[in-house]
Amino acid sequence: AQSVSQHNHHVILSEAASLELGCNYSYGGTVNLFWYVQYPGQHLQLLLKYFSGDPLVKGIKGFEAEFIKSKFSFNLRKPSVQWSDTAEYFCAVTKHNAGNMLTFGGGTRLMVKP
Amino acid sequence: DVKVTQSSRYLVKRTGEKVFLECVQDMDHENMFWYRQDPGLGLRLIYFSYDVKMKEKGDIPEGYSVSREKKERFSLILESASTNQTSMYLCASSLQRWQSETQYFGPGTRLLVL
Repeated sequence: AQSVSQHNHHVILSEAASLELGCNYSYGGTVNLFWYVQYPGQHLQLLLKYFSGDPLVKGIKGFEAEFIKSKFSFNLRKPSVQWSDTAEYFCAVTKHNAGNMLTFGGGTRLMVKP
Repeated sequence: DVKVTQSSRYLVKRTGEKVFLECVQDMDHENMFWYRQDPGLGLRLIYFSYDVKMKEKGDIPEGYSVSREKKERFSLILESASTNQTSMYLCASSLQRWQSETQYFGPGTRLLVL
């Protein structure tokens, strides 16, 4: 069974600091990759996704993620975080062309200090 | 905008009670999902459905059942609630069965079983 690991459970940053959240998955075949975000009191929503093509994908609110196939990784980055980025971030994976069953990582809680 | 609604934001039930969680989506999506969200474990798939009256087990179906009598509605049933089912329950939907697509999430139901 595939699994998804997010190594940082809690991250605390000051505003304007750079962010990188790690995500690794275990499945060896072709995958589709997602980052979802849950802001306090809000629905889980899509931040960005990778299906194919350019391994560097850009999402909403200045976030980007890079797919490195050789490392089974899909790390999330943002050059300069804001207080409003305080949220929980989830990496998720689904097998390519195998339906829409997502496997989620354990999540990373990000707190940005003003 | 896709809208996924869940019948309750908060529920308190007693051990042994039968519990119904309702989810409705308004965008004619084929796929619907039930997850539970627990700290440090991320989201884990309980059941999903890709068509009316169809259901598939996810990763943790034990103690749960589901019902999908209409395309827009997907119910999660706890036949006899137990304290280890205290959790946040999230419903999601996505457009087509065999496509890896964005899942749209509801606001969640926080269930406490006493």
